[in-house]
Amino acid sequence: DSGVTQTPKHLITATGQRVTLRCSPRSGDLSVYWYQQSLDQGLQFLIQYYNGEERAKGNILERFSAQQFPDLHSELNLSSLELGDSALYFCASSSSGRLDTQYFGPGTRLTVL
Amino acid sequence: AQSVTQLDSHVSVSEGTPVLLRCNYSSSYSPSLFWYVQHPNKGLQLLLKYTSAATLVKGINGFEAEFKKSETSFHLTKPSAHMSDAAEYFCVVTGSGTYKYIFGTGTRLKVLA
Repeated sequence: DSGVTQTPKHLITATGQRVTLRCSPRSGDLSVYWYQQSLDQGLQFLIQYYNGEERAKGNILERFSAQQFPDLHSELNLSSLELGDSALYFCASSSSGRLDTQYFGPGTRLTVL
Repeated sequence: AQSVTQLDSHVSVSEGTPVLLRCNYSSSYSPSLFWYVQHPNKGLQLLLKYTSAATLVKGINGFEAEFKKSETSFHLTKPSAHMSDAAEYFCVVTGSGTYKYIFGTGTRLKVLA
C-alpha cells in the first residue's frame, strides 16, 4: 500500500458527460501528479500540482482540468467525455515535487460508453 | 528532451532463471532513472531508482539495475525469477529541472513454471 488513495475505483459513464476523480496524497506529501494509462498511448503525464499551485503540464486536453485543495487532496475533472478517454487514471504523490520518488495510487478505471 | 526506450515488449523466462529487462534512455541532463512494476489491476510500485550516486542500484525483491552512461542504458536484472515476478515493468526517466516522469512503453514479464 503506497498511502495514496483514489476514488472511485471504477467509473462508467456516457459520452458527453463530466466526471471527477479524486486523489488523496500520502501524509506529508505536497506534490500530486496525474497520469493517464491507455492501451494506445501508454502511460502519459497529465499535470502536477505542488502545494495548491500548478507546477507542470503534460499532455492534458483542454477538456480536462485539475486542482489541488488546501488539505492537499486533488481532483481531476474530465468533461465532454469521448470514447477515447476510457483509460486508467493514476494519481501519484511526492514530498517536494523535484526529483523525489513518486508513489502511485491504485488508479481509477474510467469507461466511457 | 528526455526519452526512454524499452527494447522488449514481452520477455518470457523460466522460474529460477535470470531476468534481464532492457532500457535505454536519452537525456540532455544528468538523468534520474527509475524502474516501476505494475501487477495486474494494481498501481505502480517503485522497484529502484538511480539519482547519480552508486551506478549499481539494488531494489526490492532481489532486483537490481546498473546505470551505464557510456551506453545510455539502465537494464533491470534479477538472478532468479519467481512466479510472483510476472508483471509489467516500466523504465522511467526524469531530468534535472523537470518534474514529470517519462515512461517507457513497458515490458511484460512472463514467468514459466
